[in-house]
Amino acid sequence: KAGVTQTPRYLIKTRGQQVTLSCSPISGHRSVSWYQQTPGQGLQFLFEYFSETQRNKGNFPGRFSGRQFSNSRSEMNVSTLELGDSALYLCASSLDIFGGEQFFGPGTRLTVL
Amino acid sequence: AQSVTQPDIHITVSEGASLELRCNYSYGATPYLFWYVQSPGQGLQLLLKYFSGDTLVQGIKGFEAEFKRSQSSFNLRKPSVHWSDAAEYFCAVAIQGAQKLVFGQGTRLTINP
Repeated sequence: KAGVTQTPRYLIKTRGQQVTLSCSPISGHRSVSWYQQTPGQGLQFLFEYFSETQRNKGNFPGRFSGRQFSNSRSEMNVSTLELGDSALYLCASSLDIFGGEQFFGPGTRLTVL
Repeated sequence: AQSVTQPDIHITVSEGASLELRCNYSYGATPYLFWYVQSPGQGLQLLLKYFSGDTLVQGIKGFEAEFKRSQSSFNLRKPSVHWSDAAEYFCAVAIQGAQKLVFGQGTRLTINP
């Protein structure tokens, strides 16, 4: 069974631009969560989706948004990029929403210049 | 709000030596507890998890962890480390019934030959 896939793997943008990152969960998984990893702040929860509905959102500005499609694939969008948005963005999928194991993708490395 | 503390930012051990990585959490009830490992440029791989029951849990790659409610701890152990264990290790908690993981700051493990 294929793991969680994230595209693109690497991305370079400039300040003020927007970016869309994609995540395909493991087949059959319906819950997708996103995390931001930076050297200074560590791993921080962004949001969680289940059945196309956002269930939880972390403490990030409104520039960060996401969505989930009917096939459970998810996208996150960051508008008006800032230098501080440079990070590894990790997507995780799980079967359901009851605190079970989350499987992580390899991440998308975003660099904002 | 729940939080996770990993007191050791960096640990160096010799190959073949035993290992213990510390993790303390703050949460009103018993959370779900996890240990993840991350190799450079990679996503997170689950080593083991504790939901309930036996407080000593076995994981992959020869790792084990012990949940101690009285100390709010979930320390990771391995009797004999291998050079391939060099990586960053993250302890995480989740509220029962939620997919939001709260991570510690991580412990970077270096193995001396």
